[in-house]
Amino acid sequence: EAQVTQNPRYLITVTGKKLTVTCSQNMNHEYMSWYRQDPGLGLRQIYYSMNVEVTDKGDVPEGYKVSRKEKRNFPLILESPSPNQTSLYFCASSLGRDNSPLHFGNGTRLTVT
Amino acid sequence: AQSVTQPDIHITVSEGASLELRCNYSYGATPYLFWYVQSPGQGLQLLLKYFSGDTLVQGIKGFEAEFKRSQSSFNLRKPSVHWSDAAEYFCAVGLISSGSARQLTFGSGTQLTVLP
Repeated sequence: EAQVTQNPRYLITVTGKKLTVTCSQNMNHEYMSWYRQDPGLGLRQIYYSMNVEVTDKGDVPEGYKVSRKEKRNFPLILESPSPNQTSLYFCASSLGRDNSPLHFGNGTRLTVT
Repeated sequence: AQSVTQPDIHITVSEGASLELRCNYSYGATPYLFWYVQSPGQGLQLLLKYFSGDTLVQGIKGFEAEFKRSQSSFNLRKPSVHWSDAAEYFCAVGLISSGSARQLTFGSGTQLTVLP
């Protein structure tokens, strides 16, 4: 089944403790992206990647890192999480060509205390 | 920079009634336009998209949307709502000049409640 898989679904951590949220897709998509969803703000793009070793900042990249060493994986790294990064995070992928829709994972709910 | 406005935060309709969710965008050229739906605890699922051609587009689950350039709008409609349509709906705009819709800007969403 074609899908985008994020792990974990839920994560509670403390300020400053490094964490990684994994994202994997099995559709051989070139394009992958991370979003955060906050009430009243919709989804805001954090980082995106057009292909292996090609990443770029979205609208809200501060406090986050990403890497794209393999085509299928696009982990989101929070080196020193802070409470304002408490949010619902979504990974998405697409073919990257014109008209190709985004396929979303089921989300990771992160709480930073 | 492009922006998307969904003026209705929450809409309540009765099952079987018609539905229209509003979306207005701000962009200098014709954008890619999308509607996504998010059910509780799930990711976003694409309902429909518009890139060019016929301004009335059909999507999944009986939804349709009409692109009106003069009004910078892309409203989502459904003639008869089902209880399973209760969800949050997001309108999104993508850059067309970049050659792909890789940079999407999402609206803040409209929560739909369906009364029995």
